[in-house]
Amino acid sequence: NAGVTQTPKFQVLKTGQSMTLQCAQDMNHNSMYWYRQDPGMGLRLIYYSASEGTTDKGEVPNGYNVSRLNKREFSLRLESAAPSQTSVYFCASRPGVFMNTEAFFGQGTRLTVV
Amino acid sequence: RKEVEQDPGPFNVPEGATVAFNCTYSNSASQSFFWYRQDCRKEPKLLMSVYSSGNEDGRFTAQLNRASQYISLLIRDSKLSDSATYLCVVNWNRDDKIIFGKGTRLHILP
Repeated sequence: NAGVTQTPKFQVLKTGQSMTLQCAQDMNHNSMYWYRQDPGMGLRLIYYSASEGTTDKGEVPNGYNVSRLNKREFSLRLESAAPSQTSVYFCASRPGVFMNTEAFFGQGTRLTVV
Repeated sequence: RKEVEQDPGPFNVPEGATVAFNCTYSNSASQSFFWYRQDCRKEPKLLMSVYSSGNEDGRFTAQLNRASQYISLLIRDSKLSDSATYLCVVNWNRDDKIIFGKGTRLHILP
């Protein structure tokens, strides 16, 4: 059971570099999410997508872009990485609106920007 | 004001004791509520959903108070393995946004 798969698991970037974090789910879920987690800050929502073709800003969207490529995939792009974006990034998915079910998480991507 | 707020702790509790956490949310339109557990910066995992009438799962009891806009988690007969961070989660059905609290760290002491 793959569930939610994130790639890469670890990444080191130089300031100003760009990269895309990939997320794919095989559970036919409608909703997908990107969070970042910093020490003492819990998980903060960056962007989410309630269905294919739609995306919405979360709590901390600045410096990020997302693409809901299809129902399975939801990518997060850092156009010009900054040290403040050093964090652990989690992708999640859940069946969809009006379904009182849990969200399933990937194992996280640990990103360091130097 | 953050949409979901929790006391970050840490709560240091002797094994066998009962411990309770509260979480407040600011948006009265919130529809679904959950408690997640997270170990050592691993991915969060569902502990239990929170239903309007309250619900229990073994040693864990969750309550929802819509009038006062808070949810609670009670852990009875705590075990060393309960040491973790407990995350309060609120979901808005209208657009399926999910917001996490900062989490409450729990240390069970032998």
